[in-house]
Amino acid sequence: GNSVTQMEGPVTLSEEAFLTINCTYTATGYPSLFWYVQYPGEGLQLLLKATKADDKGSNKGFEATYRKETTSFHLEKGSVQVSDSAVYFCALGPTGSSASKIIFGSGTRLSIRP
Amino acid sequence: DTGVSQDPRHKITKRGQNVTFRCDPISEHNRLYWYRQTLGQGPEFLTYFQNEAQLEKSRLLSDRFSAERPKGSFSTLEIQRTEQGDSAMYLCASSLEGFNQPQHFGDGTRLSIL
Repeated sequence: GNSVTQMEGPVTLSEEAFLTINCTYTATGYPSLFWYVQYPGEGLQLLLKATKADDKGSNKGFEATYRKETTSFHLEKGSVQVSDSAVYFCALGPTGSSASKIIFGSGTRLSIRP
Repeated sequence: DTGVSQDPRHKITKRGQNVTFRCDPISEHNRLYWYRQTLGQGPEFLTYFQNEAQLEKSRLLSDRFSAERPKGSFSTLEIQRTEQGDSAMYLCASSLEGFNQPQHFGDGTRLSIL
């Protein structure tokens, strides 16, 4: 069945470091791909999305490119800030087998040191 | 901009009691979703509504769980005879109709079973 595998955390970086969080997926059909972010005590917020192969989603300095050939959607940011500390979830959008549910990875906790 | 609202934010109850959670979606969204998130994991899909019709249910949704959306606006999720394993964060999301529409999440209801 469809699934998402993402890099295990926690990831700890210094401020202004380069960030990569790896995400790969298995899917039938052509789902949209998402990155959601969850700050402490809050629900999930959509960070960025890509709806088809080679699309690049971007928001708040974060980027991810939908790579069909490697079934990947890695999250990157050139210079992280303390305020980026959160849990990041890679997610697979609905496909023909289910018109509704998003399948989430297990999350990667990111901590940024000042 | 009013987002997805969930009530209560926290619920502590004894094993065997019934609990009910409420979700108010973004007003123009006709799709509403329930997810469950346990510690250190990504959210898992439970069920979804399009307007008042419950169109899909996960096998995670045992017969002790029931969800309703009687007028196609707010939704309730009831858990009867709660068990220790029901302790989790229950997240509600809503979206517009359509295959690639992003789901917008509330802050969740954290359930703790004593």
